[in-house]
Amino acid sequence: DTGVSQNPRHKITKRGQNVTFRCDPISEHNRLYWYRQTLGQGPEFLTYFQNEAQLEKSRLLSDRFSAERPKGSFSTLEIQRTEQGDSAMYLCASKNMETQYFGPGTRLLVL
Amino acid sequence: AQSVTQPDIHITVSEGASLELRCNYSYGATPYLFWYVQSPGQGLQLLLKYFSGDTLVQGIKGFEAEFKRSQSSFNLRKPSVHWSDAAEYFCAVASNRDDKIIFGKGTRLHILP
Repeated sequence: DTGVSQNPRHKITKRGQNVTFRCDPISEHNRLYWYRQTLGQGPEFLTYFQNEAQLEKSRLLSDRFSAERPKGSFSTLEIQRTEQGDSAMYLCASKNMETQYFGPGTRLLVL
Repeated sequence: AQSVTQPDIHITVSEGASLELRCNYSYGATPYLFWYVQSPGQGLQLLLKYFSGDTLVQGIKGFEAEFKRSQSSFNLRKPSVHWSDAAEYFCAVASNRDDKIIFGKGTRLHILP
């Protein structure tokens, strides 16, 4: 059990570019969550998966954002046409019976 | 809608002193409550959680929290802090075991030597 991993850890991009982040959950955790954390704030829920099914999406998840979890294993979060307001830490968590375990996050900076 | 309020943005205590971080939640039914800690460059780590039963819950690293329904509070305590406890602490609530977690804005803990 190596914990939740996220790649890349840091990403700098120019406004208008597309970016994709990957999350590898703890094996056999069937629930996977994405959160976004901006400076001075707590994490905010974006979306979550039960296996490969995306069960809930926050209103924060505009149509420029898309998340997938093919085969119910790793997950990707793509942001199209990035904006400066997308700059944040993107956190992934996976869950066993009761506890969400968080990854180290991907810090995105949009210039 | 669920919400969490952490009234203290920053708290400074001396090493060895006791600590209490305040948390108030808003939720109509019995909430599921959590405290997480985030150190620079680290992911969020669960300190403790309350789902039901004994309202005083013990966590890792010597932390405890008490659920007080009448005050809608879930304050985090530690009898003697260590310099390594300097971090950001988040109180959080969920409506059930499987639901998304709603976080407060966090309290940054500073430790004086």
